[in-house]
Amino acid sequence: EAQVTQNPRYLITVTGKKLTVTCSQNMNHEYMSWYRQDPGLGLRQIYYSMNVEVTDKGDVPEGYKVSRKEKRNFPLILESPSPNQTSLYFCASSSHPPRPQHFGDGTRLSIL
Amino acid sequence: SQQGEEDPQALSIQEGENATMNCSYKTSINNLQWYRQNSGRGLVHLILIRSNEREKHSGRLRVTLDTSKKSSSLLITASRAADTASYFCATATLTETSGSRLTFGEGTQLTVNP
Repeated sequence: EAQVTQNPRYLITVTGKKLTVTCSQNMNHEYMSWYRQDPGLGLRQIYYSMNVEVTDKGDVPEGYKVSRKEKRNFPLILESPSPNQTSLYFCASSSHPPRPQHFGDGTRLSIL
Repeated sequence: SQQGEEDPQALSIQEGENATMNCSYKTSINNLQWYRQNSGRGLVHLILIRSNEREKHSGRLRVTLDTSKKSSSLLITASRAADTASYFCATATLTETSGSRLTFGEGTQLTVNP
């Protein structure tokens, strides 16, 4: 089954404690992206990757890092999380950006 | 800044009625896509309409695109309670650096009452 898998689905942590949200897709897609969803703000793109070893900033990259060492994986790293990064995060992938994206089920992060 | 803006923000109808949601955007697009999100879940792609198309159908969904007005509408006919969800439009635009990017609006919350 074609899918994008995110882990963990839920995480409550404290300010400053480094965390990583993993994302994996099994569709051999070149394009992957991270979004955050906040009430009243819709989905905002954090980072995206056009292919292995190619990443670029989206609209809200501050406080986040990503890496793309393998085609299937695109982890999101919060080196020093802060409360304003409390949000619902989605990973998505696509064979090519203008084409529809496949989304994971989301990761709800709470930073206390 | 958000490229797509949906209207209305919330819509409540009775089962069997039609639901219409609108999306406006600001710049030239490659295509426009509609997604659905059930509460707490990921977005699911519904339909894509290219910039050179004016109307597209998929089952009970009908999408129109007016590039002169920079607007699109999504019509769900004969709605069902299971259609209750948030609906998002997303515009695909071409960029010099990334080739293309997808920008989402804030969504319309549709509630279909049994």
